[in-house]
Amino acid sequence: AQSVAQPEDQVNVAEGNPLTVKCTYSVSGNPYLFWYVQYPNRGLQFLLKYITGDNLVKGSYGFEAEFNKSQTSFHLKKPSALVSDSALYFCAVRDVDTGTYKYIFGTGTRLKVLA
Amino acid sequence: EAGVAQSPRYKIIEKRQSVAFWCNPISGHATLYWYQQILGQGPKLLIQFQNNGVVDDSQLPKDRFSAERLKGVDSTLKIQPAKLEDSAVYLCASSLDRAGAPDTQYFGPGTRLTVL
Repeated sequence: AQSVAQPEDQVNVAEGNPLTVKCTYSVSGNPYLFWYVQYPNRGLQFLLKYITGDNLVKGSYGFEAEFNKSQTSFHLKKPSALVSDSALYFCAVRDVDTGTYKYIFGTGTRLKVLA
Repeated sequence: EAGVAQSPRYKIIEKRQSVAFWCNPISGHATLYWYQQILGQGPKLLIQFQNNGVVDDSQLPKDRFSAERLKGVDSTLKIQPAKLEDSAVYLCASSLDRAGAPDTQYFGPGTRLTVL
């Protein structure tokens, strides 16, 4: 069965420092991986995705993610964190093996950027 | 391009009452999803439609929850009767999903339900 894991419930980083939010996945075929961000009282917003191609994927708001097949990881990164990046981040994998194409979400990581 | 629309944004009801949520997906999107999100947790898929057919409803509590997507566009999710544990945010999402290409899913703002 396909799954994703976000090992950290919360990540704290100082403003201006680089940030990393971790995600590992388990799939039986090709992975379709996504990152979403959720601000308070808002729905989830799409940040970026990996389907195929370059291992470094660039997305919205200066975020990028690195796909690493050997480590089965898809960590979210940003070179310089902003206080406004503080939010809840979800990694997701799309299940293409069972034919439902449903999304499977991680448990979320709360990012807190300190001024 | 207009996003996914949901209404109402907030709803407060007493237990055992019924409630309905409405979703209008992005125009042309074939797949529509309803999720339940408990505070601080990840979204849990309740039901997934492909056009007006159900693809997955394995986690939908069918004794009290129902959903329909008439004509393959708008959708409604109903809870009857509501329980305290149904207090959550109900998210609707849609994706285009052209044949053979799993596309990005886009979310609406959600409906926050409080059951007293």
